Amino acid sequence: QKEVEQDPGPLSVPEGAIVSLNCTYSNSAFQYFMWYRQYSRKGPELLMYTYSSGNKEDGRFTAQVDKSSKYISLFIRDSQPSDSATYLCAMKEPAQKLVFGQGTRLTINP
Amino acid sequence: GAVVSQHPSWVICKSGTSVKIECRSLDFQATTMFWYRQFPKQSLMLMATSNEGSKATYEQGVEKDKFLINHASLTLSTLTVTSAHPEDSSFYICSETGNQETQYFGPGTRLLVL
Repeated sequence: QKEVEQDPGPLSVPEGAIVSLNCTYSNSAFQYFMWYRQYSRKGPELLMYTYSSGNKEDGRFTAQVDKSSKYISLFIRDSQPSDSATYLCAMKEPAQKLVFGQGTRLTINP
Repeated sequence: GAVVSQHPSWVICKSGTSVKIECRSLDFQATTMFWYRQFPKQSLMLMATSNEGSKATYEQGVEKDKFLINHASLTLSTLTVTSAHPEDSSFYICSETGNQETQYFGPGTRLLVL
């Protein structure tokens, strides 16, 4: 079993839809949770960073962490074609290396 | 967030040659930087942790004599792929720690070995 599980998709939704991306994990020591967006042939871009459980909102993006269920989510509201990319969840224990999910390929159709 | 640059953005070389990739931290003095490689449609794989002024720490299975890492200053880390072969063709990405519990990535370097 992988430490971090993420459905690779692909996920295709119409423009304007709410997108829900998820990851589950097995290591209860993870404290820091991140979502990265990666466009084709580019490096990952940090979208959201959350410490421990709770919600965090930034514009159209909301990140949720449920440590009791070992489950994290990223919601994208009013999705745009420019949101089409691969979304990677990542998490870590304090002072340890980052562990990535496989990435979900998302396409927003105009 | 932090700003990281990489050079070159892409490189094509002949089998057997060596290729150097530079990773620069533009707004932060990074004592620690990371090197990843990524194959098509796969996630990032950590290759090594680059520490300023000391030897890099390599992940299991990564050949340190093949992938030479130098971190001579707080703003520059280099990865040299020695005697490159077609199987080394990949997307190489560096990152630096921001607040030490997250990472900011460079734009990546695409290497094609013929």
